[in-house]
Amino acid sequence: EADIYQTPRYLVIGTGKKITLECSQTMGHDKMYWYQQDPGMELHLIHYSYGVNSTEKGDLSSESTVSRIRTEHFPLTLESARPSHTSQYLCASSEKVLREQYFGPGTRLTVT
Amino acid sequence: QKEVEQNSGPLSVPEGAIASLNCTYSDRGSQSFFWYRQYSGKSPELIMFIYSNGDKEDGRFTAQLNKASQYVSLLIRDSQPSDSATYLCAVTNSGYSTLTFGKGTMLLVSP
Repeated sequence: EADIYQTPRYLVIGTGKKITLECSQTMGHDKMYWYQQDPGMELHLIHYSYGVNSTEKGDLSSESTVSRIRTEHFPLTLESARPSHTSQYLCASSEKVLREQYFGPGTRLTVT
Repeated sequence: QKEVEQNSGPLSVPEGAIASLNCTYSDRGSQSFFWYRQYSGKSPELIMFIYSNGDKEDGRFTAQLNKASQYVSLLIRDSQPSDSATYLCAVTNSGYSTLTFGKGTMLLVSP
């Protein structure tokens, strides 16, 4: 079972603030992913990475950016938060692309 | 646009019954198939994965795959109230780069 951590778990922040959502995993997985999910709605892939210095945009257009400087760490940054960014953000990792993804506990973001 | 279709439900079954959850997918090149369980407000939790046609059993759960019909299902035997959750079907796309998730089926198991 993968150990994957996200901080903060909950965040309430004002419009215009810069925020970084942290995601770390201890399994040594090369593949990491960020999803966005509104309550009762489907998961949308917003970013993914196949390894250090590799990042790609996902299916859902997002104003966020990501970086992958270390294998275990995949932070997501919003330069200027807006109320439309209010959502749950889920980080996941996998050993290989054809293998299962393991999810972190998520960060619930509210932008006022 | 690669799609994964699931009936949104809710699927209501009594405790002890068999719950049958279904999923169809559009990408014939999909190689790997996964079922996740998601409780309200929580993150998805892997239940089963299946790569080959046929059945795969794990405890009370059985995953069934039919690639010719582009159909994957999950059977939950002896359903318990604690099984009440949304079940997400996910498949790899033929580019192998990411998973495509369905919208999920809500399962309600009544005592």
